[in-house]
Amino acid sequence: QQQVKQSPQSLIVQKGGISIINCAYENTAFDYFPWYQQFPGKGPALLIAIRPDVSEKKEGRFTISFNKSAKQFSLHIMDSQPGDSATYFCAAGPGDGNKLVFGAGTILRVKS
Amino acid sequence: DVKVTQSSRYLVKRTGEKVFLECVQDMDHENMFWYRQDPGLGLRLIYFSYDVKMKEKGDIPEGYSVSREKKERFSLILESASTNQTSMYLCASSKQGVSEKLFFGSGTQLSVL
Repeated sequence: QQQVKQSPQSLIVQKGGISIINCAYENTAFDYFPWYQQFPGKGPALLIAIRPDVSEKKEGRFTISFNKSAKQFSLHIMDSQPGDSATYFCAAGPGDGNKLVFGAGTILRVKS
Repeated sequence: DVKVTQSSRYLVKRTGEKVFLECVQDMDHENMFWYRQDPGLGLRLIYFSYDVKMKEKGDIPEGYSVSREKKERFSLILESASTNQTSMYLCASSKQGVSEKLFFGSGTQLSVL
């Protein structure tokens, strides 16, 4: 099975700080890289996604950085807020999104 | 608001029982998926379906089967439940050819004793 390696497993950030979560993938055929956010008791929800034709995508406080040659991508959360405390999953897969491979998840806690 | 509904939030079954997990979506989505979520392993795809009566194996199909008789409903079946199938099961759906975005249900926490 093609893997997606995600780090760190858990992260504690002060309110207003920057949260950074990293992922690495193996399959060079992957061309869709989403991030999902999951709150306790809820299913994951799409946060932001990128395709390899761009190196960065920003939506509000959330930015994906993508390095195709290194097969790595990361999520940056600027001005982190307590409401951002959740589990974050990166994923990678073919362009139709049908067979995504998910990372193990990162538990983010933002301290107020 | 779009909705993926899983029939049970918590389920406790005995080893060897046949278990049905039900999922219904109200978005007229063609694609439906079953994942299991385990701590430290993330989400792993069990099966997906891209049309009624059509199915494809995911990464971990062993011990599971699925049924999709109607577009809005996708069932996951554990033919003979085992303790290593204790997990959180997540159903998801997506619109074919329009968006890759997965819409997830809230999950069913299954315990097999």
